[in-house]
Amino acid sequence: GEDVEQSLFLSVREGDSSVINCTYTDSSSTYLYWYKQEPGAGLQLLTYIFSNMDMKQDQRLTVLLNKKDKHLSLRIADTQTGDSAIYFCAGRMDSSYKLIFGSGTRLLVRP
Amino acid sequence: DVKVTQSSRYLVKRTGEKVFLECVQDMDHENMFWYRQDPGLGLRLIYFSYDVKMKEKGDIPEGYSVSREKKERFSLILESASTNQTSMYLCASRGGGQGGSNLYGYTFGSGTRLTVV
Repeated sequence: GEDVEQSLFLSVREGDSSVINCTYTDSSSTYLYWYKQEPGAGLQLLTYIFSNMDMKQDQRLTVLLNKKDKHLSLRIADTQTGDSAIYFCAGRMDSSYKLIFGSGTRLLVRP
Repeated sequence: DVKVTQSSRYLVKRTGEKVFLECVQDMDHENMFWYRQDPGLGLRLIYFSYDVKMKEKGDIPEGYSVSREKKERFSLILESASTNQTSMYLCASRGGGQGGSNLYGYTFGSGTRLTVV
């Protein structure tokens, strides 16, 4: 089955860019998502990318997809203290109801 | 915006109790899901339902059951709570079909943090 892996922790200085990485095993994952979870809250959908895309930009967020290496990344430009949270990548195949999550990357933004 | 509401933010239950976690969504979504979240393990799917009265086991269904009598409500039941079921429980919903909200992932509730003592 699908497996999604992320590094557990990232620390950056306010104003720098953050890059959160994710690898997945199932090349038939059609939809790939990034979610943000703030302390004590549920998951908030940040952005998504389809497998027929290489890149998607949405304001400060840039998602890059390398299908050959099965690698997904989320870049946050001009990182702010309010960006401190846990970030989850997740993938789903077109034929499946199931969304498979990575273990989450905790982003800490230092002032 | 779709709202997914979980009835309790925090619950403390005793070992052996029967526990009900309730989830309601207001956008007529066909699909609903229960996940548990544990540090370092991410989110793991317990059960999901793709329509009223329909349910399927996820990756970790043992010790849990579910009920979906109405489209808007999906209940998670711990038949006899145990300490290893102490966790954060997250409910999510998603529209069916190929268009609209189906493409854009799931909408999550705020979670219920359950402690079993």
